Amino acid sequence: DIVMTQSPDSLAVSLGERATINCKSSQSLLYSSDNKNYLAWYQQKPGQPPKLLIYWASARESGVPDRFSGSGSGTDFTLTISSLQAEDVALYHCQQYYIAPWTFGQGTKVEI
Amino acid sequence: QLQLQESGPRLAKASETLSLTCTVSSGSIGSTSHYWGWIRQTPGKGLEWIGSISSSGSAYYNPSLRSRATISVDSSKNQFSLKVTPVTAADTAVYYCARPIGSAAAGQGWFDTWGQGTLVIVSS
Repeated sequence: DIVMTQSPDSLAVSLGERATINCKSSQSLLYSSDNKNYLAWYQQKPGQPPKLLIYWASARESGVPDRFSGSGSGTDFTLTISSLQAEDVALYHCQQYYIAPWTFGQGTKVEI
Repeated sequence: QLQLQESGPRLAKASETLSLTCTVSSGSIGSTSHYWGWIRQTPGKGLEWIGSISSSGSAYYNPSLRSRATISVDSSKNQFSLKVTPVTAADTAVYYCARPIGSAAAGQGWFDTWGQGTLVIVSS
């Protein structure tokens, strides 16, 4: 199985400041035939299911604010919240869909 | 907009069977080539994909469940279901149904639509 490791486990960021979450995979998620990275990011608020933010490592889901961005390739990926808002307090997960079983990172808690 | 809703007993006894159903609304399971999946979440292990099934009934699973999971689909009711047996305390989790999309390969992709989740507690 591909192991997804997120860092840090939690971080506290001031309102309006940048938040950066890292996700590292145990093998490359870059598929050579289409040059795409098979990685997604989710946001989960307490008592709610995860909400899709980013897919293909950097494509933003419709309706997601542009302060959320994804980057990286191969085995190292980053989710950046450019200017943290109060409503961004949540647990964030990365997920690989390169090869089954699909696996998730352990989650990163973002607080203010 | 597509909606998913889990239902089923909130309690299960150790060594017995956990059974959950996901009802799909504002969309038809049978009319598309989508897959449909189950994911669970525990405080200690985070999110874990359990398995996925196509509208025609082709299913595949996470080997971590060691063949204890079975997913089935009932297109006439617009539902798909999960059974896990035998269960242990380690199966206590919030269970979500969700739809994987995005890639041409069977069930491969990100999960764009999720149910609200249901907590199932396994007791001895």
